[in-house]
Amino acid sequence: GAVVSQHPSWVICKSGTSVKIECRSLDFQATTMFWYRQFPKQSLMLMATSNEGSKATYEQGVEKDKFLINHASLTLSTLTVTSAHPEDSSFYICSARRTDSPLHFGNGTRLTVT
Amino acid sequence: GNSVTQMEGPVTLSEEAFLTINCTYTATGYPSLFWYVQYPGEGLQLLLKATKADDKGSNKGFEATYRKETTSFHLEKGSVQVSDSAVYFCALTLAYNQGGKLIFGQGTELSVKP
Repeated sequence: GAVVSQHPSWVICKSGTSVKIECRSLDFQATTMFWYRQFPKQSLMLMATSNEGSKATYEQGVEKDKFLINHASLTLSTLTVTSAHPEDSSFYICSARRTDSPLHFGNGTRLTVT
Repeated sequence: GNSVTQMEGPVTLSEEAFLTINCTYTATGYPSLFWYVQYPGEGLQLLLKATKADDKGSNKGFEATYRKETTSFHLEKGSVQVSDSAVYFCALTLAYNQGGKLIFGQGTELSVKP
């Protein structure tokens, strides 16, 4: 079964509003989670590395004030898209590492900004 | 830098045909290599992996061999099914960050017709 749960699976919001996406590791603790963004027909682009109890590490070109990441516990990381605009519409995917195993991915969140 | 290059899609095959999806990589150090599969509207699932040269990863009839001399990790399956239709991503992670930050290829869409 799924070991990483992502919620919501899809969301539609109006331009200018903020949207929060949750990523939970189920039955294991994840000190590190990763947030990816995927454009249609394209690969996954790493946005940031989320570390429990500390600030996220953002990839070059990713606006940290735009994409707020909070990793408040060992099983939960959140991505908040602030003041969303239509160009933020995308598929966002989180992943978490379980000890001694490859990354497990959530099922993604389809964000549409109107 | 580190990168992954896959053959462009879409790849369209008839059921029971032989599949090859090419993947080559550039990396400093000794990467681990992965193939992930993404079904429509879903996140990524690990298909197979190889952690050192000459290792062969296999799962669900898919195979890929880690070829250091050609820096390749081509995905193969002897007889594809309609249910194999998906997007396939080749990825690497570096040894010092095992199971952590993944670098993805651009993905190859596979469509299998009955």
